[in-house]
Amino acid sequence: GQNIDQPTEMTATEGAIVQINCTYQTSGFNGLFWYQQHAGEAPTFLSYNVLDGLEEKGRFSSFLSRSKGYSYLLLKELQMKDSASYLCAVRDGDYKLSFGAGTTVTVRA
Amino acid sequence: IAGITQAPTSQILAAGRRMTLRCTQDMRHNAMYWYRQDLGLGLRLIHYSNTAGTTGKGEVPDGYSVSRANTDDFPLTLASAVPSQTSVYFCASSLGQGATDTQYFGPGTRLTVL
Repeated sequence: GQNIDQPTEMTATEGAIVQINCTYQTSGFNGLFWYQQHAGEAPTFLSYNVLDGLEEKGRFSSFLSRSKGYSYLLLKELQMKDSASYLCAVRDGDYKLSFGAGTTVTVRA
Repeated sequence: IAGITQAPTSQILAAGRRMTLRCTQDMRHNAMYWYRQDLGLGLRLIHYSNTAGTTGKGEVPDGYSVSRANTDDFPLTLASAVPSQTSVYFCASSLGQGATDTQYFGPGTRLTVL
C-alpha cells in the first residue's frame, strides 16, 4: 500500500509563513499534488510537482525531492481565508492518486 | 456551467437500504473516480473508470458498485447500506489518467447510515 504522512494541524499568524511537510513511500511515482479543502467543501487543486525543485504560484510554492520522498507546501503572507485543510496526494506507478490525511491550518489574527 | 455535480447533497439512510449516488460532469473528461473521506483517514479511492464502458476497483471497493454507460455519468451504488459506509463521498474527474492529469472534485454527498 501507499504511505503518505503529513502533520495533522498547524497554527500560524496572519501575514506569516507556514510550511507543510509531506513524506511518502509509494509503489512508483508519477507526480505529487497539493489540494486545498475548506471545511464542508470539495478539494481544489493548488499545485503539481513531478520533477525535483520548487514550483511557485503566487503566495503558494511547492517543493519536491524524489530521492528523499519529500515535498512541502509553502504558504506566504497568510490570510484568514487560508484557514483550511491541505492535502498531499501522490500519483503512483499505476497512475492512481493516494492522499494523505490532510493538514488543518488555522490562521489567527 | 462546466464542472461536476453530485446528488443528493446529503442523505440519511436506514441500514439495509439500497442507495445510488449520482455524479455528472460536463467537461468531457475521460476518467472519473469515487472517493470517500473519513476523519483522520483522508480520501480513499472506491472505484474508478478510465473511459466510458470500463471500471476498476480502488482501495476500498467492498459494498459498492459503479457503472459508466456514457462519458458524463458515473453513479455509485450501495446495494445494502451499513453504518460503516457513513462518510462524505466525492466524485472526481480528469481529462485522462496520465501523470499530468489533474483531478477535479464535485461538491460531495454527505451520507449517514443508521
